[in-house]
Amino acid sequence: ELKVEQNPLFLSMQEEKNYTIYCNYSTTSDRLYWYRQDPGKSLESLFVLLSNGAVKQEGRLMASLDTKARLSTLHITAAVHDLSATYFCAVGGTGTASKLTFGTGTRLQVTL
Amino acid sequence: ETGVTQSPTHLIKTRGQQVTLRCSSQSGHNTVSWYQQALGQGPQFIFQYYREEENGRGNFPPRFSGLQFPNYSSELNVNALELDDSALYLCASSFASGNTQYFGPGTRLTVL
Repeated sequence: ELKVEQNPLFLSMQEEKNYTIYCNYSTTSDRLYWYRQDPGKSLESLFVLLSNGAVKQEGRLMASLDTKARLSTLHITAAVHDLSATYFCAVGGTGTASKLTFGTGTRLQVTL
Repeated sequence: ETGVTQSPTHLIKTRGQQVTLRCSSQSGHNTVSWYQQALGQGPQFIFQYYREEENGRGNFPPRFSGLQFPNYSSELNVNALELDDSALYLCASSFASGNTQYFGPGTRLTVL
């Protein structure tokens, strides 16, 4: 059974500092997704990573994938308050295996 | 382009009752997936529909059932509600199975 683990579960960040969230998964998979969720809201798609060594960047967020290590990272550069939310990684496949298996989530809080 | 919509937004039911949740997929998307998100946890996959056929199911009992209609909208039905069914129910649509899933705003179900 596929297991997806994130750490840390909670991250208190200071503005303008850099942080990294880690996502480990237990079995080989085709795709790795990152989603953001604000309190009481739905999930917003951030990145999809399809191959080993893939790197995607959007603003202060950069996601990377190492399929050999079964590890994805979400790096936050110079944190700002707008980034406060819960971030989920999710592993998915294709065809009948395209369901998403989510990690536990990492709650980020940026303090002024 | 219209995004994923869900109805109702909130719902309160009592144990033993039945509930139907509805989802309209994003324009051009033919695949709908349903997830259950308990408070403080990541979403759990319930099932997926592709072109009106069930295309994968998670570890949920048969009292969770679904439908997809020719216009690709979908319903989630839950019979014999239990207290543990209280959660946020998320619908996600995608173009074909395996592509990025875009989530609706969710239906928050409370079972008393």
